[in-house]
Amino acid sequence: AQKVTQAQTEISVVEKEDVTLDCVYETRDTTYYLFWYKQPPSGELVFLIRRNSFDEQNEISGRYSWNFQKSTSSFNFTITASQVVDSAVYFCAPKDTGRRALTFGSGTRLQVQP
Amino acid sequence: DVKVTQSSRYLVKRTGEKVFLECVQDMDHENMFWYRQDPGLGLRLIYFSYDVKMKEKGDIPEGYSVSREKKERFSLILESASTNQTSMYLCASSTRLAGGYEQYFGPGTRLTVT
Repeated sequence: AQKVTQAQTEISVVEKEDVTLDCVYETRDTTYYLFWYKQPPSGELVFLIRRNSFDEQNEISGRYSWNFQKSTSSFNFTITASQVVDSAVYFCAPKDTGRRALTFGSGTRLQVQP
Repeated sequence: DVKVTQSSRYLVKRTGEKVFLECVQDMDHENMFWYRQDPGLGLRLIYFSYDVKMKEKGDIPEGYSVSREKKERFSLILESASTNQTSMYLCASSTRLAGGYEQYFGPGTRLTVT
């Protein structure tokens, strides 16, 4: 069965600081996918990234970057030069190819202070 | 853009009432999902549907049922609402069942059962 741990319940940073959100997952499958979602105060989850287990290259999208370490089962998310608009709850979600839906972590609430 | 809409943002019902939560997507997605979100627990899958009239139980189906009579619409039914069903309910849709395709979420319905 899948399990995902987001150990940081809440993080508070000051604008322009870099911040890393941790995600550790468990899976018995060799093929799986990993997702990150953002949930701003409005409530609607926004898809950020999908990564499959065969692709261990790190990815960068603007101020966002993701570090996938298969050896440690981690898929961490870094925001560089954080902004107030980054304040949200962030969810990591693995998905086995045979499983019907995503398995969500408990989320990390990020507060970016001006 | 994929659009997933939910019939209500906020709903207050009394214990024992029958409650219908409606979800509509406009991208011809085969798969639709209902999750509930509770503090510290992340999102938990209640039910999903992979085709019209087809459904499967998720991780916490007790106390809920679903209906999918048309491809674009997926309803969650609380046959007899109870206070422990007070929660945020999120609907999602996706293009593929097995595989890595991302789910698109609606804005959520915050249900309070008194």
